[in-house]
Amino acid sequence: GESVGLHLPTLSVQEGDNSIINCAYSNSASDYFIWYKQESGKGPQFIIDIRSNMDKRQGQRVTVLLNKTVKHLSLQIAATQPGDSAVYFCAETGYSTLTFGKGTMLLVSP
Amino acid sequence: SQTIHQWPATLVQPVGSPLSLECTVEGTSNPNLYWYRQAAGRGLQLLFYSVGIGQISSEVPQNLSASRPQDRQFILSSKKLLLSDSGFYLCAWGASTDTQYFGPGTRLTVL
Repeated sequence: GESVGLHLPTLSVQEGDNSIINCAYSNSASDYFIWYKQESGKGPQFIIDIRSNMDKRQGQRVTVLLNKTVKHLSLQIAATQPGDSAVYFCAETGYSTLTFGKGTMLLVSP
Repeated sequence: SQTIHQWPATLVQPVGSPLSLECTVEGTSNPNLYWYRQAAGRGLQLLFYSVGIGQISSEVPQNLSASRPQDRQFILSSKKLLLSDSGFYLCAWGASTDTQYFGPGTRLTVL
């Protein structure tokens, strides 16, 4: 069936570096994508979203890039901080509910 | 602004005991409501969703059930818990079928 998956289960970076978290999706009908951040013991927190009619969207220190040709989604975090350490999920919606990837853990060292 | 509440925050229950987890949303009307389970180190598994009072869709057959007695209240229940029911239960709401906003979660341990 259709699925959303992540390339890297764990990403370790130094404070101040830029981080890139990747996500591949297989449902070509997906038209809306979301990135969530989940800190340990807490619920996922909405970070940024993008619709399929866009290929880039920027927020505060975060940028989401969408490449529909290769069905790839990425989250870029600029000047990564220790507080960014968390699990990041991508999610897609093309039908009635969201489909989530398994998540990538981002570890930021001071 | 909208807020979502879940309780209890943590729960330890013996195998075979009943379960009732509650989720409420404030600041919005007629939200879509969702129950997810997250096993340790795993992704989110959609259990149930509801688009209105009394309307429940089940995604995964199991010994859990859900009810929506009021517009902004969503309850997850079980008559007899299994060990495999342990996990982190998350409630979410959405104004449409797009973005979902999650509650703080309930950590359930079945012993």
